[in-house]
Order: sequence, then structure tokens, then C-alpha cells
Amino acid sequence: EPEVTQTPSHQVTQMGQEVILRCVPISNHLYFYWYRQILGQKVEFLVSFYNNEISEKSEIFDDQFSVERPDGSNFTLKIRSTKLEDSAMYFCASSVGTRGEKLFFGSGTQLSVL
Amino acid sequence: GIQVEQSPPDLILQEGANSTLRCNFSDSVNNLQWFHQNPWGQLINLFYIPSGTKQNGRLSATTVATERYSLLYISSSQTTDSGVYFCAVELSGTYKYIFGTGTRLKVLA
Repeated sequence: EPEVTQTPSHQVTQMGQEVILRCVPISNHLYFYWYRQILGQKVEFLVSFYNNEISEKSEIFDDQFSVERPDGSNFTLKIRSTKLEDSAMYFCASSVGTRGEKLFFGSGTQLSVL
Repeated sequence: GIQVEQSPPDLILQEGANSTLRCNFSDSVNNLQWFHQNPWGQLINLFYIPSGTKQNGRLSATTVATERYSLLYISSSQTTDSGVYFCAVELSGTYKYIFGTGTRLKVLA
């Protein structure tokens, strides 16, 4: 069965450094998302992306965050200058459409900011 | 913004028992999905269910959109059912799912 793949599975970085989290959505999917989950808490929406532009973003998704689809398969999340509070599990998700379609999640990237 | 509350927050069951998990939401929604987060952290889609009832093996779900709640039924629970169950709702005119507070389930052998 097709799946969303994320790399790396774990990323450790120093505060202030830039990180790029990578995702390969399911190939025929058109809508892409990033979510994050701080340890033990609920899953929080960051951003949705369709047709090479952001559809919607949350208050968490400030100027330090950006997303890109650099080619036909990858979808990336960049954090320019990481803070301690950015430590979380970051999930990528994709769906064929937004209406009547299941959302499929990758296995996540655990980001630790020291 | 919309509030998505789940109950109970924690649940411990003996293997073989049945359970009902509830998701209440404070506003009208277009879509609703249920997810299982297994002990390794993976989010697995269980149901897409904006209204009505669906069944998949030992799991079934019912959403009553007009009354703003959804129920997930687990029958004959197994230890592999352990984890956190989330409902997630999509508001009309938005392109995001808002996750609920979750129910942490532990099934004992």
C-alpha cells in the first residue's frame, strides 16, 4: 500500500540552526500538510499546501517556518532559526482531495533542539 | 475557534472487553476522521466518517453531525489496540483538520 515517507526519523540540532524536514507524499495526492505534536500533547495543524502555494496556516507557522515542493515528489518544511520550543514530532500528511478523502500520515520526524 | 473534546481521556481495559470513545465538537464540520496513534507514534487512519455509521472488523464509528458528536466503538479489545485515539474535524471552508484532545487506551492481557 502506498505510504507517506519522512526523513530523517530523528534530527538533533542546536538552537538557532536551520533544519529541513523532508516528506514524500503519496504519488497521486494533491494536498499536503504539516502537523506537529509536542510530547504527550495533541496533534497541532501547521500548514496546508495545494497547487504550489499555502492554502492555510496556523498561528504557530510564523516567519521562521516555510514550506516548499521543490520537485514533483518532495515536500519540505524548513525552520530557519530553531528554538527550544520547536522540539516536537513533525508529521507530514497528504490526501487526494480535501472533500471526502482520507488523510494519510507519515511516521514523523522527531526534532530535538538543544 | 472550534473546540474538539474527547472522552474519556484515559481508559484501561482487560483484553476482550468492549469500549466506546466519544468526540464532541463545538461547531458544524464538513468532515471527521478517526485516527489511532500506536505506541510507536504512527498515526493510522481508521475511519473517514462525516455522518452515519461505518464498520471495519472489530471497530465501528458513528457520527451524528447535527448533534456534533462522533463515537468510536471497539469490540473484543486486543493488546494491539493500545495507544491514543484521536478524532479530527475539518471546518467548512477550511483546508485543515483540527485534532481532538485524544483518548489514551491501554488494553491489558
